[in-house]
Amino acid sequence: SQQGEEDPQALSIQEGENATMNCSYKTSINNLQWYRQNSGRGLVHLILIRSNEREKHSGRLRVTLDTSKKSSSLLITASRAADTASYFCATDGGNTPLVFGKGTRLSVIA
Amino acid sequence: GAGVSQSPSNKVTEKGKDVELRCDPISGHTALYWYRQSLGQGLEFLIYFQGNSAPDKSGLPSDRFSAERTGGSVSTLTIQRTQQEDSAVYLCASSLAGRYGYTFGSGTRLTVV
Repeated sequence: SQQGEEDPQALSIQEGENATMNCSYKTSINNLQWYRQNSGRGLVHLILIRSNEREKHSGRLRVTLDTSKKSSSLLITASRAADTASYFCATDGGNTPLVFGKGTRLSVIA
Repeated sequence: GAGVSQSPSNKVTEKGKDVELRCDPISGHTALYWYRQSLGQGLEFLIYFQGNSAPDKSGLPSDRFSAERTGGSVSTLTIQRTQQEDSAVYLCASSLAGRYGYTFGSGTRLTVV
C-alpha cells in the first residue's frame, strides 16, 4: 500500500516562480525523503528530513515536516526549466523499505 | 562502480518466456531493493535484501517472481512465464545500512508482447 500521497498530481509554472509540492502520510515515520525522477527512469535522492526535524534546506530546496499533521512540503525556489521532472516523497518507518507516493509531475515553462 | 548499474536497459520478451534482470549495487552498500513502476504510477516495492538476513519478499506479486543476491553484492530478479501485466520499469536501489537515502539505477524497461 502507498503511504505518501503527493499533492498536486501535476503542477505547471513559469521559470523563476516557486513550486510547492505537498505530501501526506498515514503512520509514524523515522524520516521522510524526497526524490526526483526524469523521463520515467532512475530516481535521484534530493533530501532527507528526520522525524525530529521541522525544516531543512539544500540549495534551492526547502523541506518542511509536520509530524502532528503527518505532512511534508517541498519548495523549489526560482525554478528553472531543468527542474521539470516528477517528484516523489517516500517514508521510512524503520527497518522496512521506503514507501513511495505516486508523485507530482512538475513542468517549468521557459 | 560509482553508481547502481542495471542491465539490460530495455527488454522485450514474448508472453510466457522467462526473464532475468540484473542489478550491481554500489560497493559496500549492505541494503538492496527492487521496485517496479508502471507507466505514470508510483513505485511498487518488490523485495529487499539487508546484509546476510533473509530477504523481505512481502512485495512480490506472485510466485512467478523471485530474486537472489549473491555474495552480498549482485542481485538478479527473475520473472517466470511473463505476462503482459508484468510490463513496467524495474528499478533497483542500494543504500548504506538501510537507513539512508537510496541510490537508484536507471532501471530496466520490460515489455511483454
